[in-house]
Amino acid sequence: KAGVTQTPRYLIKTRGQQVTLSCSPISGHRSVSWYQQTPGQGLQFLFEYFSETQRNKGNFPGRFSGRQFSNSRSEMNVSTLELGDSALYLCASSATGTGGNYGYTFGSGTRLTVV
Amino acid sequence: QKEVEQNSGPLSVPEGAIASLNCTYSDRGSQSFFWYRQYSGKSPELIMFIYSNGDKEDGRFTAQLNKASQYVSLLIRDSQPSDSATYLCAVNARTNAGKSTFGDGTTLTVKP
Repeated sequence: KAGVTQTPRYLIKTRGQQVTLSCSPISGHRSVSWYQQTPGQGLQFLFEYFSETQRNKGNFPGRFSGRQFSNSRSEMNVSTLELGDSALYLCASSATGTGGNYGYTFGSGTRLTVV
Repeated sequence: QKEVEQNSGPLSVPEGAIASLNCTYSDRGSQSFFWYRQYSGKSPELIMFIYSNGDKEDGRFTAQLNKASQYVSLLIRDSQPSDSATYLCAVNARTNAGKSTFGDGTTLTVKP
C-alpha cells in the first residue's frame, strides 16, 4: 500500500513569495492534516481537511491556507512568505472513524527555506 | 501550561534496559493518545495508540494510560540502539478527533 506522498521535498523561496505544497494521502484515507515542525516550536497543527472540508484549524495567520480535492489529495499554500516560515511541513493522513483518529501516517515532509 | 508535556530529556539508557517515557496532558476531555517515534532527519511514525485506562502491549512496547491522573507513558523493554530517537506524545480531544496536539518530544539514546 503506497504511503503518504509529499512534493516537493525541498524548496527555497524568497521573502514575499508564495508557495504551494502538495500531499497525496494513503488510498482510502479521507482525513489530511498539515503540521509545521521547527526546532523551537515542535509540531504545530495547521489544519485538517476531511472530505474536502476544513474541519479543524490551528492558530496560524491567514497567509496559511489549504484545500482538499475530491480524490483526497490536499494542498497547502503560504502567501507572502516570511523568514519565520522556514520549517519542515508535514502532511499526515489518517483513517478517522467513529472511534476517533486512529493515528497518523506522515509523509516525508517538505523542507521550506525562506531567504 | 502546555497542553501536552513530556520529560525534557535527553534520556540515556544502556542496551537491554527498560526506557520509560512520560507524558501529561491538561485537557480532561482527551480521548485518544498516541506515541510516535521520530528518527533524526525523518518524519514521525506511529508506534502505538491507546484509548482506555490501563496497559496496552505491542512487542517490546507498552503504553500505559491513567486518565484520572492525566498521564500516559511508554515503556520500551530490552532497549536497543535502534530505539535511539525522539519520542513524541500526542493527544486528541473528545470533541476534536481530527486534531492531534503534540508534546515537544523526549530524545532517547540507547548506549551499546
